[in-house]
Amino acid sequence: LAKTTQPISMDSYEGQEVNITCSHNNIATNDYITWYQQFPSQGPRFIIQGYKTKVTNEVASLFIPADRKSSTLSLPRVSLSDTAVYYCLVGVLRNYGQNFVFGPGTRLSVLP
Amino acid sequence: DSGVTQTPKHLITATGQRVTLRCSPRSGDLSVYWYQQSLDQGLQFLIQYYNGEERAKGNILERFSAQQFPDLHSELNLSSLELGDSALYFCASSAPGTSATTQYFGPGTRLTVL
Repeated sequence: LAKTTQPISMDSYEGQEVNITCSHNNIATNDYITWYQQFPSQGPRFIIQGYKTKVTNEVASLFIPADRKSSTLSLPRVSLSDTAVYYCLVGVLRNYGQNFVFGPGTRLSVLP
Repeated sequence: DSGVTQTPKHLITATGQRVTLRCSPRSGDLSVYWYQQSLDQGLQFLIQYYNGEERAKGNILERFSAQQFPDLHSELNLSSLELGDSALYFCASSAPGTSATTQYFGPGTRLTVL
C-alpha cells in the first residue's frame, strides 16, 4: 500500500479556499485516492475519491495530476465547522488483502 | 449518522481483563473493518471481514481477535488488556461492489484500561 505524506497542520480563515496536498510517490496503477474528514472523538467521514484528473462533489474537489504521485483536496470557502483532521488514503478497490494505512492526517484550523 | 452502530460507547476496565466490542454495519454492507486510534499512533487498521470471512489483517495483536456473524454484525475481543490498549476503537463498513477504500465509520468505542 502506498505510503502518504501530508502537512501536519494548516490554518485558514473563514471564507477562504483551502488546498491540502498529499504525496504518494509509490502509488500503484490500481490504487485510488480517498480523502476522509475526522472531528474530535468521531469516526472519519468519507469526503471524496478519485483516480485521475479532477473529481468534484458538493463538499470538495480532488485534483490529481497525470503522474498521480500527489493529490490535492480543495475545500471552497471554508467555515469554522470545517475545522477537523483530513486524511488521505491510497488503496485499491478490491475487498481483500489490503492493509488500510491512514497517515497522521492534516489538522486544519479555520479561524474567524 | 453513517448508519454504522457500535456498542458500548464507553468502557472502563482494569489491566488483565477481557472485553468485547460490538459493531453493526450499515444495512446491506458485507464488509466490516476494525481500527484502533490512540493519541500517539493515529488510526491503525486492525482487521477486515467480508460476509463472515477474514479478508485482511493489519496491526492486530495476538491478544485481539474478531469475528463476523451470519447476521453480519461483528465483535472485536480484546484480552489480557494493558494500559496501552486504551484508545478509541472504530468499526467501519463498506458496500459490496464498491470500493473497499470507501468506508463508513461508526461513532467508536472509547476503551479506558486502568
